[in-house]
Amino acid sequence: QKEVEQNSGPLSVPEGAIASLNCTYSDRGSQSFFWYRQYSGKSPELIMFIYSNGDKEDGRFTAQLNKASQYVSLLIRDSQPSDSATYLCAVETAGGTSYGKLTFGQGTILTVHP
Amino acid sequence: KAGVTQTPRYLIKTRGQQVTLSCSPISGHRSVSWYQQTPGQGLQFLFEYFSETQRNKGNFPGRFSGRQFSNSRSEMNVSTLELGDSALYLCASSLFGSGIAGGPYNEQFFGPGTRLTVL
Repeated sequence: QKEVEQNSGPLSVPEGAIASLNCTYSDRGSQSFFWYRQYSGKSPELIMFIYSNGDKEDGRFTAQLNKASQYVSLLIRDSQPSDSATYLCAVETAGGTSYGKLTFGQGTILTVHP
Repeated sequence: KAGVTQTPRYLIKTRGQQVTLSCSPISGHRSVSWYQQTPGQGLQFLFEYFSETQRNKGNFPGRFSGRQFSNSRSEMNVSTLELGDSALYLCASSLFGSGIAGGPYNEQFFGPGTRLTVL
């Protein structure tokens, strides 16, 4: 079992729709969860960060965390063509052996078509 | 506030050579993490430095090494390059790195990366 798994893509949604990206993780000691967006040929850009159960909203983005189910998701409302990118879920486990380490999923390619 | 910078942006080397990559973190950030990104393996953690000390290391051979200077700038070195080392090498900076459970100090911000091609 992979440590961090994302829903297989690619995911294609029409402009204006809600895009739903999902991620599960295997380590119950995981503490912090991140969503990065990576455009083709560019480096990952941090878009959301969550560490408490529940929802966290920032503009059109909502991150949802359920530690009991070991599940984190990202919702993008009113999707725009500029949202087309690869979305990476990253997980951090607190503790001395995990300093500075994020474990990434393989990414989900999102395409928003006009 | 300036972001993370990496130099050089592109490198072409041949097998057996060695290479040094540089990373300057965001001002005030003391933790620098390095990652390798390839199409097949995705993003994989190489190592992390904080206050000139390596605190964590991923599952990479000893050919991969790094260091951090007193101004938090970091370098990574790959010796005896192999074809499989061709990848995008990314550094990320954060205030303190992890170890503060649930705290707000674990966000990592990536530089633009160095694209290494080994021929």
